[in-house]
Amino acid sequence: EADIYQTPRYLVIGTGKKITLECSQTMGHDKMYWYQQDPGMELHLIHYSYGVNSTEKGDLSSESTVSRIRTEHFPLTLESARPSHTSQYLCASSEGTSGSFSHLYEQYFGPGTRLTVT
Amino acid sequence: KNQVEQSPQSLIILEGKNCTLQCNYTVSPFSNLRWYKQDTGRGPVSLTIMTFSENTKSNGRYTATLDADTKQSSLHITASQLSDSASYICVVSDRGSTLGRLYFGRGTQLTVWP
Repeated sequence: EADIYQTPRYLVIGTGKKITLECSQTMGHDKMYWYQQDPGMELHLIHYSYGVNSTEKGDLSSESTVSRIRTEHFPLTLESARPSHTSQYLCASSEGTSGSFSHLYEQYFGPGTRLTVT
Repeated sequence: KNQVEQSPQSLIILEGKNCTLQCNYTVSPFSNLRWYKQDTGRGPVSLTIMTFSENTKSNGRYTATLDADTKQSSLHITASQLSDSASYICVVSDRGSTLGRLYFGRGTQLTVWP
């Protein structure tokens, strides 16, 4: 089983609150990713990082922000939660740095955070 | 447009029976195709990964096939168990991406009844 952790696992919060979803991995992977998944739908990439001090937006526009101050830690923050942010958020990591063989590496997923904004 | 389509959307089978899930993709340039199992409320876990030169790959009771010419893959589950109830996601990797970008299908929701 992959050593990648997410907290909290479930979160119910009111509109307008600031929240941070935590993700950490102990595998020393440089690349980390955040995905958003709604029930019955595919995973959408919302943020990714090639390593420390590197963050990029993914394919799906998101009002969330991320930071990568330490290799093992990749938190996601919502400054003001809205009901439209209700979803499952999955964190993942993979080996390798940016390069031509990136597509060969396995991505390991955390258990996810189920966020509900009321 | 890079896409991954899966069928059926959902499937119910009896314990002990076999089943086959389908995946069609249009991702180019193709690198590899992966099947993931996602239990409810959990993250996806990799079952198999195949490059274009591999036709079949097994992992216990799971056997994946790949036809790179027709851009189709299947996942065959033998002698199903109750614990096989999950969503099975077909994922294709793009060889041209330095990120290792993955394209996900919506999954087939498999339910195994006793």
